[in-house]
Amino acid sequence: GAVVSQHPSRVICKSGTSVKIECRSLDFQATTMFWYRQFPKQSLMLMATSNEGSKATYEQGVEKDKFLINHASLTLSTLTVTSAHPEDSSFYICSARLVLPRPGQGYGYTFGSGTRLTVV
Amino acid sequence: AQTVTQSQPEMSVQEAETVTLSCTYDTSESDYYLFWYKQPPSRQMILVIRQEAYKQQNATENRFSVNFQKAAKSFSLKISDSQLGDAAMYFCAYRRGEYGNKLVFGAGTILRVKS
Repeated sequence: GAVVSQHPSRVICKSGTSVKIECRSLDFQATTMFWYRQFPKQSLMLMATSNEGSKATYEQGVEKDKFLINHASLTLSTLTVTSAHPEDSSFYICSARLVLPRPGQGYGYTFGSGTRLTVV
Repeated sequence: AQTVTQSQPEMSVQEAETVTLSCTYDTSESDYYLFWYKQPPSRQMILVIRQEAYKQQNATENRFSVNFQKAAKSFSLKISDSQLGDAAMYFCAYRRGEYGNKLVFGAGTILRVKS
């Protein structure tokens, strides 16, 4: 249970184009979704927190206009990388916070499988 | 601000042996949760174990156990009877309170398991 489906798993796009990454909670409602960026062999860097029906909260230094986050429903959150450039190439991971506690997890988190973005 | 420090960039362990990964954290909160996550080559984040700060008893999950020293703000992970499938990047993480939101991650430790 508590599965987050993230798509696409890999995407290659041309510089200047936009790319949308989707995260869907399959068997639960995710009122809060977190978006992370991860460089090779490094930690997860929180980019933004999205709450269903409201504007996302971005971490300091993250460009809101470049990384558009939409959380229009309780089961879908999207991250759009606009006007992508090679420096945006990275691994992006979403994570949903459980609304109801589960045994052994409490109000835990479940992660998507990640998206490897390559901008050429 | 809360910080999580993992001072071991890489560790190696022989198959079937025991290894301990270190983690320290800094917080002024009294109510918080600590986690260890595993990220194998597939890069899927997997929860290994979690510890509530108000519980004195160290959490255990099969071969995985923690040594939680609240006063020292230390939260190490012990992996017993290491298996090849344990090879992964391990992240220590902190969250403020049960209803808190953000996870704060450490830099991670790459664990290599030798056969």
